[in-house]
Amino acid sequence: EPEVTQTPSHQVTQMGQEVILRCVPISNHLYFYWYRQILGQKVEFLVSFYNNEISEKSEIFDDQFSVERPDGSNFTLKIRSTKLEDSAMYFCASSNRAANYGYTFGSGTRLTVV
Amino acid sequence: GQNIDQPTEMTATEGAIVQINCTYQTSGFNGLFWYQQHAGEAPTFLSYNVLDGLEEKGRFSSFLSRSKGYSYLLLKELQMKDSASYLCAASSFSGGYNKLIFGAGTRLAVHP
Repeated sequence: EPEVTQTPSHQVTQMGQEVILRCVPISNHLYFYWYRQILGQKVEFLVSFYNNEISEKSEIFDDQFSVERPDGSNFTLKIRSTKLEDSAMYFCASSNRAANYGYTFGSGTRLTVV
Repeated sequence: GQNIDQPTEMTATEGAIVQINCTYQTSGFNGLFWYQQHAGEAPTFLSYNVLDGLEEKGRFSSFLSRSKGYSYLLLKELQMKDSASYLCAASSFSGGYNKLIFGAGTRLAVHP
């Protein structure tokens, strides 16, 4: 079964450092998303991406966040200057059309900011 | 606003049936997902309803009533491995794109 792949599975970084979380969506999918889940809390939408541009972003997705599709297979989330409160699980997801078909989550990256 | 409500915790006995309810208020509602999530892991897709009614898939069934803003997930013949959090997520369609609005999850404990 096709998978969304995320790397790394765990990332520890110092406060103020930049991190890049990587995702390889399912190959025929066109819509890409990032979500995050702070420990013990609900999964929260961060951003959706289609046709090489952001289609929607939440209030969490401020200027320190950016997303990019640098080539035909990768989809990245960059956090420019990490804060302690950025510690969370970050999930990438993809779907192959806007109507929810095949909406699949990756296994997540656990980011710890120290 | 966007709001998803589901019970925080439930317990059930191995072999029994449990129903997890979810109510939602979501603009641009475009379908209801149920996910299973074990601690420290990603959500795993269980079911998707866009039309009213019951969708059955093995031991798991999901029901949707759009007019009532209500869904439930029914788990039959419970097994110990079903102990997990169950996440209700409403799809919100806006500007041509979907995003998922998640509830806080229901922690289900299955005991012998």
